[in-house]
Amino acid sequence: DIQLTQSPSFLSASVGDRVTITCRASQGLSNYLAWYQQKPGKAPNLLIYAASTLQSGVPSRFSGSESGTEFTLTISSLQPEDFATYYCQQLNSYPLTFGGGTKVEIK
Amino acid sequence: EVQVVESGGGLVKPGGSLRLSCVASGFSFSSYTMNWVRQAPGKGLEWVSSISRSSDFIYYADSVRGRFTISRDNAKNSLYLQMSSLRAEDTAVYYCATKGVTAAPNCFDSWGQGTLVTVS
Repeated sequence: DIQLTQSPSFLSASVGDRVTITCRASQGLSNYLAWYQQKPGKAPNLLIYAASTLQSGVPSRFSGSESGTEFTLTISSLQPEDFATYYCQQLNSYPLTFGGGTKVEIK
Repeated sequence: EVQVVESGGGLVKPGGSLRLSCVASGFSFSSYTMNWVRQAPGKGLEWVSSISRSSDFIYYADSVRGRFTISRDNAKNSLYLQMSSLRAEDTAVYYCATKGVTAAPNCFDSWGQGTLVTVS
């Protein structure tokens, strides 16, 4: 099974900060990596798929990148509505797996 | 607009059974793989099961294999999860999710609001 190690698990930041979240895979994913945002009491929302493709309607301050088995989600300038929990997911092979999540809170 | 709506959650005793349903609209349901994902209270997301468009390929997480059965009825635009031998650790919000309807095939692009299953 492919393991995803997401870091940090918790992040405190201010509005306007640049934020980076990392997801490390235990083996290659052929870029089949997606990022989701989840707010309390709500379903997850797709942000990025294929490691770096922005889902339609998602603000351009969100971006994704890949370097080998390390994937990064970057928020270029954190906005108040971005305080949430973020998850990575690999869809390269079954069983599909999620990272443990990163909770982004207001500093 | 793509929409999926789950139902069927509730309170069940350990060892009991429950059947979740997910009704889809706004897309060609029979053309896409469908999925269940759950989230225990205060915990992260856990993939549960996936079923291909014609039910040819079915996958389960180890934690539910042998106890849960995923199925679909393309004529009714519906996805199901039959859960049996339920345990306290199955307590979670269960989400239905589409795979690749509005985006590339390898992502879960539309999610329902979830249905809560409590085993106690």
